[in-house]
Amino acid sequence: ETGVTQSPTHLIKTRGQQVTLRCSSQSGHNTVSWYQQALGQGPQFIFQYYREEENGRGNFPPRFSGLQFPNYSSELNVNALELDDSALYLCASSPQGETQYFGPGTRLLVL
Amino acid sequence: GESVGLHLPTLSVQEGDNSIINCAYSNSASDYFIWYKQESGKGPQFIIDIRSNMDKRQGQRVTVLLNKTVKHLSLQIAATQPGDSAVYFCAESTGSNDYKLSFGAGTTVTVRA
Repeated sequence: ETGVTQSPTHLIKTRGQQVTLRCSSQSGHNTVSWYQQALGQGPQFIFQYYREEENGRGNFPPRFSGLQFPNYSSELNVNALELDDSALYLCASSPQGETQYFGPGTRLLVL
Repeated sequence: GESVGLHLPTLSVQEGDNSIINCAYSNSASDYFIWYKQESGKGPQFIIDIRSNMDKRQGQRVTVLLNKTVKHLSLQIAATQPGDSAVYFCAESTGSNDYKLSFGAGTTVTVRA
């Protein structure tokens, strides 16, 4: 176990809705990265938060947004959900610039 | 653009044999490489990493080899066990400010008893 926790474990939404996913980082880790993993593929980088600021972003539209809190936990928000947003959403925590350790993920299904 | 990919999508190994999983990358600026193992229904689990100033690193039953000349990375698992059955991903990073990881599509390893 990495000490990274995510909630909820599973979620079903309909197109157009909004979703918030949560991540608690491992103790001592000040950086949280979010990844989207479609079925049968490798994780794709969404963005990273370091000390409550976005610190790098992948090729995802603005309807994907996030927050990091003073305790380094983080949220991923997705607005106007589309069918293709169905995926496993992973967060990974790390000390800045060091190895990223992943949580178990949140499985999102958009109908 | 950069890409990280594995040579074979599946690998079947006899229990007790050694496994070799290969990975090619295209971004010559990559300087940090990681192998992750992902079991069904779980998040990726860190196995071993290597920086570009090294060409070999060993862990418990695992060895990572890096050939920067041909942009090739491999993971060797000694005495493969049933618990090694999983999807293995190589990931790379340029060590830029955000340290984002770029993953390949993964290799599914199945261990035969």
